[in-house]
Amino acid sequence: QKEVEQNSGPLSVPEGAIASLNCTYSDRGSQSFFWYRQYSGKSPELIMSIYSNGDKEDGRFTAQLNKASQYVSLLIRDSQPSDSATYLCAVKEWDFGNEKLTFGTGTRLTIIP
Amino acid sequence: KAGVTQTPRYLIKTRGQQVTLSCSPISGHRSVSWYQQTPGQGLQFLFEYFSETQRNKGNFPGRFSGRQFSNSRSEMNVSTLELGDSALYLCASRPGTVEGYTFGSGTRLTVV
Repeated sequence: QKEVEQNSGPLSVPEGAIASLNCTYSDRGSQSFFWYRQYSGKSPELIMSIYSNGDKEDGRFTAQLNKASQYVSLLIRDSQPSDSATYLCAVKEWDFGNEKLTFGTGTRLTIIP
Repeated sequence: KAGVTQTPRYLIKTRGQQVTLSCSPISGHRSVSWYQQTPGQGLQFLFEYFSETQRNKGNFPGRFSGRQFSNSRSEMNVSTLELGDSALYLCASRPGTVEGYTFGSGTRLTVV
């Protein structure tokens, strides 16, 4: 069973600090990785995608990918209370010749004012 | 640009009944996927359709089925409902098969 694992949290970070969210995956053949944010009672919203090893920055968000170690992380700089949400890691995996997007169970992040 | 539209937003059904959920993807998106979200299991993949063809299917019983129409709209059907089918059902679309998904607001199904 291919898996995507995240620390469920909750992760509490002071306002203005850096929040670090981690995700590991089991399928070595995975090539596409995504981070989604889900506010309570809402549907997931795509915030970052990354396909190559290294860092990808978008505003206050940085996604980091290390395929050799099979982990992907999300850094949120200058954390704001509005960043409080559950963050879902998603990995495109191959399953018997077909690809599907597998989600981790999410990390609940709380930004403390 | 309209987002992914799911109807209805809420449903209450009785055990043994069947239900059909509808999803209209973003205009131009040809890929539609369905996910079940529950507090205990998180987001579980149901199936994906692309150009009216099912590309992949998750590990759900045959009571769960879907289809996609020529205009990319999709429906999901669950027959012989069980209490454990109570969940948020999310539809997601993307232009092709490479990009990330955009999710709809979901249909919350309660089986009593």
